[in-house]
Amino acid sequence: RKEVEQDPGPFNVPEGATVAFNCTYSNSASQSFFWYRQDCRKEPKLLMSVYSSGNEDGRFTAQLNRASQYISLLIRDSKLSDSATYLCVVNKRAGGFKTIFGAGTRLFVKA
Amino acid sequence: NAGVTQTPKFQVLKTGQSMTLQCAQDMNHEYMSWYRQDPGMGLRLIHYSVGAGITDQGEVPNGYNVSRSTTEDFPLRLLSAAPSQTSVYFCATASEYYNEQFFGPGTRLTVL
Repeated sequence: RKEVEQDPGPFNVPEGATVAFNCTYSNSASQSFFWYRQDCRKEPKLLMSVYSSGNEDGRFTAQLNRASQYISLLIRDSKLSDSATYLCVVNKRAGGFKTIFGAGTRLFVKA
Repeated sequence: NAGVTQTPKFQVLKTGQSMTLQCAQDMNHEYMSWYRQDPGMGLRLIHYSVGAGITDQGEVPNGYNVSRSTTEDFPLRLLSAAPSQTSVYFCATASEYYNEQFFGPGTRLTVL
């Protein structure tokens, strides 16, 4: 089983839709959590950090449930420019300092 | 500030050849890392460093060596290239391992 698992998608949604991505992680030593965005043939870039209290940045909301080892990302009012791959990322300090990436969920937003 | 730079952008090698992928950062970050990205696999950590003179293995270290003689540079060496090492390689840096990582533009490597 992978340490960080995501629904691979792809998700195909119309503009204006709300879409939710889920991610589970298996290592309870995990310390920090992020969502990254990766455009085709580009490097990943930070979308937002994820906190236990939940956090929001404009149309994006991230949630963390440590008890269930579950992370989510909600995108409201989808735009064409949101089309990308969304990566769930977990940092842990166990056997070294490690960053584990999920395989990513591909999102296509259609006009 | 350039952030994180990687060279070369593209490289084609023959099986058995060796080469070094360069990574440099001007962000004065202590933590640097190398990842490879393959279709359907996500990014996998090859090696990382928490400061000059300190390196450690990640998830997929076999076939790769690293060194960290300065804060700025973190080269990745392929000792004897194999077709299984065909991938996109990303270098990244962070102020601390648990913070946001900043990535270079990547090196696309093909081993024939």
